[in-house]
Amino acid sequence: DIVMTQTPLSSPVTLGQPASISCRSSQSLVHSDGNTYLSWLQQRPGQPPRLLIYKISNRLSGVPDRFSGSGAGTDFTLKISRVEAEDVGVYYCMQATQPLWSFGPGTKLEIK
Amino acid sequence: QVQLVQSGAEVKKPGASVKVSCKASGYTFTTYYMHWVRQAPGQGLEWVGMIHPSDGTTNYAQRFQGRVTVTRDTSTSTIYMDLGSLRSEDTAVYYCVRDRFAFDVWGQGTMVTVSS
Repeated sequence: DIVMTQTPLSSPVTLGQPASISCRSSQSLVHSDGNTYLSWLQQRPGQPPRLLIYKISNRLSGVPDRFSGSGAGTDFTLKISRVEAEDVGVYYCMQATQPLWSFGPGTKLEIK
Repeated sequence: QVQLVQSGAEVKKPGASVKVSCKASGYTFTTYYMHWVRQAPGQGLEWVGMIHPSDGTTNYAQRFQGRVTVTRDTSTSTIYMDLGSLRSEDTAVYYCVRDRFAFDVWGQGTMVTVSS
């Protein structure tokens, strides 16, 4: 099974400053069809998770453009260009390349 | 609009079973995989299993094999998760999720509490 890790696990950030979260997989996430099924989810306190980005760098409709995803193979990054108060929550990477889906442990984003 | 509406909270005793439902609306039910994901209190997300509504094909996380069954009813656009031999560690919020090109739509969650 593919194991997902994230760093940091907690990230205190000043409003208006950038934030970055790293995600690493134990195996390459490149699928036999050529796609890389790495997504990022946001979970605000008390809410279900919400999809932000899929296939490494594609933002879901309605997601602010301050969120961006990048990476390849086994190493991926979520960046927030300027953190806003509504961005507080836990961020998860997840893989869907193998047919046993798995999540990273989550990174808690909080305001300093 | 696309919606996944789950059944209400459950309290069960250890050793019992629980069946959670998830009704889809706003799209063609048989088109996309559907998943169950759980989240224990204060913990992260854990994938439980999935079903393809068109043919009923399922796949489960190894740790739940033999204890979980995911089914669907195409006439009501509903999927179900049946989890048996419950133990306290199964206390969690269970989410159903649509998998269109990623986990793009989530249900509101169903709290399952296992307690004697």
